[in-house]
Amino acid sequence: QKEVEQDPGPLSVPEGAIVSLNCTYSNSAFQYFMWYRQYSRKGPELLMYTYSSGNKEDGRFTAQVDKSSKYISLFIRDSQPSDSATYLCAMSEAGNMLTFGGGTRLMVKP
Amino acid sequence: SAVISQKPSRDICQRGTSLTIQCQVDSQVTMMFWYRQQPGQSLTLIATANQGSEATYESGFVIDKFPISRPNLTFSTLTVSNMSPEDSSIYLCSVVRGPRGYTFGSGTRLTVV
Repeated sequence: QKEVEQDPGPLSVPEGAIVSLNCTYSNSAFQYFMWYRQYSRKGPELLMYTYSSGNKEDGRFTAQVDKSSKYISLFIRDSQPSDSATYLCAMSEAGNMLTFGGGTRLMVKP
Repeated sequence: SAVISQKPSRDICQRGTSLTIQCQVDSQVTMMFWYRQQPGQSLTLIATANQGSEATYESGFVIDKFPISRPNLTFSTLTVSNMSPEDSSIYLCSVVRGPRGYTFGSGTRLTVV
């Protein structure tokens, strides 16, 4: 079993839809949770960062962490074609070494 | 966040040859990381490079295959040696600034033929 599990997709949604991306993990020591967005032929860029449990909102993006269930989510409201990318969850115990999920490919169709 | 310049952005290489990838950061950082992203896969850490010491390699990666240099606090190179088609991947360097995770370079897309 992988330490971080993420559905690879692809996930195809119409423009304007609410997108839900999820990861589960097994290591209860993870405290830092991140979402990266990776466009084709580019390196990953940090999208959202959360420490411990709770929600964090930034514009159209909301990150949720439920440590009791070992489950994290990223919600994208009013999705746009420009949101089409691969989304990687990542997490770490002490903020340095990251463990990545396999990534979910998202396609938002006009 | 840090700005990372990585080059080359892509290359097509013959099997048996070596390729050196360069990574330049716009400010001094203690640790630099090298990742591999195979087609359709997530990121796998190859090694951690600290200035002034030997790089620390993850399980499955060895120095003879992936020698790393870290001559100063803003620069590092990764060499992929004696390449085979299985080495075809995207190679990424990154730095970490506190607990907010890594900043990545744009990657080097390597194809070995």
